Amino acid sequence: DIQMTQSPSSLSASVGDRVTISCRASQSISNFLNWYQQKPGKAPKLLIYSASTLRSGVPSRFSGGGSGTDFTLTISSLQPDDFAIYYCQQSYSTLPWTFGQGTNVDIK
Amino acid sequence: ELQLVESGGGLVQPGGSLRLSCAASGFSVTSDYMSWVRQAPGKGLEWVSVIYSGSRTYYTDSVKGRFTISRDNSKNTLYLEMNSLRVEDTAVYYCTRVGYTEIFTADPWGQGTLVTVSS
Repeated sequence: DIQMTQSPSSLSASVGDRVTISCRASQSISNFLNWYQQKPGKAPKLLIYSASTLRSGVPSRFSGGGSGTDFTLTISSLQPDDFAIYYCQQSYSTLPWTFGQGTNVDIK
Repeated sequence: ELQLVESGGGLVQPGGSLRLSCAASGFSVTSDYMSWVRQAPGKGLEWVSVIYSGSRTYYTDSVKGRFTISRDNSKNTLYLEMNSLRVEDTAVYYCTRVGYTEIFTADPWGQGTLVTVSS
């Protein structure tokens, strides 16, 4: 199975900060990488697919990059609604499509 | 609008059974891949099962032989039959549509249903 490792596991930031989360795959996955946002007590929501394509309706302050094994999710100016846990997930291989362990973004 | 609504969770003793349901609206459960993803308390996300291409299925190793995924076109509903439940199956179970837009993506997700396995 392909392993996905996110860093950091958690971070504290202030409203208006630029935040970057990293995700590393255990082997090359081209751009077969999705990002999800999960708020407490809620289901995850798709933010970005194909490493860098914003899902319709997602604010433009979110952006994704990378290919191969190293990927990033960047929030250009953190807003109060963005405090959540973020997961990367690969869909390159045959099943299972694995998730990273998550990155918790909370208020400094 | 695409929507998924799960039901069927609850408290069950170890060794017991439950059937989860996921009612879909806005699309057909037989037109796409459909899946169940679970999240143990305070933990991350884990694919449990996927149904695709007719009735081909995938199960994570820990549930093989105990869980069965299925779908009913007439009711537009996805199911997860869970038998021989273990304490470690305790989690919120989400159903998701797995669509293909350049790559496979899980979107949307249901609100989740909590399964608690405890004596």
